[in-house]
Parts: sequence; C-alpha cells; structure tokens
Amino acid sequence: DGGITQSPKYLFRKEGQNVTLSCEQNLNHDAMYWYRQDPGQGLRLIYYSQIVNDFQKGDIAEGYSVSREKKESFPLTVTSAQKNPTAFYLCASNHGQVPEAFFGQGTRLTVV
Amino acid sequence: GENVEQHPSTLSVQEGDSAVIKCTYSDSASNYFPWYKQELGKRPQLIIDIRSNVGEKKDQRIAVTLNKTAKHFSLHITETQPEDSAVYFCAASESLGLIFGQGTTLQVKP
Repeated sequence: DGGITQSPKYLFRKEGQNVTLSCEQNLNHDAMYWYRQDPGQGLRLIYYSQIVNDFQKGDIAEGYSVSREKKESFPLTVTSAQKNPTAFYLCASNHGQVPEAFFGQGTRLTVV
Repeated sequence: GENVEQHPSTLSVQEGDSAVIKCTYSDSASNYFPWYKQELGKRPQLIIDIRSNVGEKKDQRIAVTLNKTAKHFSLHITETQPEDSAVYFCAASESLGLIFGQGTTLQVKP
C-alpha cells in the first residue's frame, strides 16, 4: 500500500515531553518529507531530506528535529519547544527524477 | 520560495454537477503540478498531475488545466458523485519539494 509506513497511528504526549514519529519507506526514494496538517491550513512543510545525512528546514521547523541516517528512514522528533504540537503529521517520499510523492498513513499526535 | 493559493476553501455541489477548484502559484520555475484527494482520516492520494510542458490533461471525469503565463492551474470534476466528497489539495514543485495549497473541502449532495 504505497511502501511508506508511519507509526504509530495515534500518539499521546504529555506537556514537556519529546516524542518521535517513525517514517520508513521501501520505495528506494531519495527524498523524504514531513508535513503537518491542521484543519483549514493544508499541508505545511516541516523538514525535508534529499539525500542521506542531509536535511533542510521547511516553513515551520521550529520545535522539531529530524535525522536521516538511512535512506529508508526519516524520523521526526517533536520537542517540548513546540508549543502547539497537536496535529496530524504526514510523511512523504519521492524519487529525485519522478516528482510524484507518496504519503504514509499519518500519525495523529495529541498533547494531554 | 513557492507560495500556492487555493480557492475555494469549501465547495458544495449537487450530484451530477461539475466542480472546479483553482490554484495559483508564485514561482515561475515550478514545473510539476499534482492534485491530491484526501478522505477523512486517510492519507492524500494522487488523482492527477500535469507538467509545465502540457496545457491540459484528462482522466475520465477529472481534468486539469495549466496556464503558465498566468501561473494558475485548475481541477475540473464532471458528473460529480457522492464518493467524490473529500478534501482536495493542489501542489507545485520547487527545489524544496512539493508546496501545497490550503485545501478545498468538496461536498457532493445526493
């Protein structure tokens, strides 16, 4: 089903805690992306990575961190510095020469 | 960087009518324009895309048009059905990857 998997599907976080969202793809895609989705605001880019060991900030990177140690994996950490982390997080990937992006099924993060 | 504006934010049509969603973009270097459909609680799925060297593309009841001079592109859905109800996103590609519009919630009334 698309070859890109996010986990967990639902995640609850207490205020002040860091949490890490997983994103794995077996599509041999070079590029991977993290988007945040809030109602009525579309998909906003948090971080992206075009190759292993390299990543760039998107429009709303503050309070988030990522790593890209392996081509298949692009985990996102939501830190305690992110003041309003409750949202739906989507990971995506594509091949550098083929821009069609495939999405994971998303992780819904709720701060309790 | 790229900025994508999408209108309308909500659209309600009667079953069988047509629906049109419009997007504008700012970066003239963008050359790929996909449309995604997202059903409630699910991942966005690509429904149609167009590249900058083409002005129009059609796939059954769905079509996309692109005007590079004016920097806008549109999604056209004909003979709408209740299962077309969803949120639709346009996007434009640039060096950062895909930049998305704000989304349009389409409701098709039976």
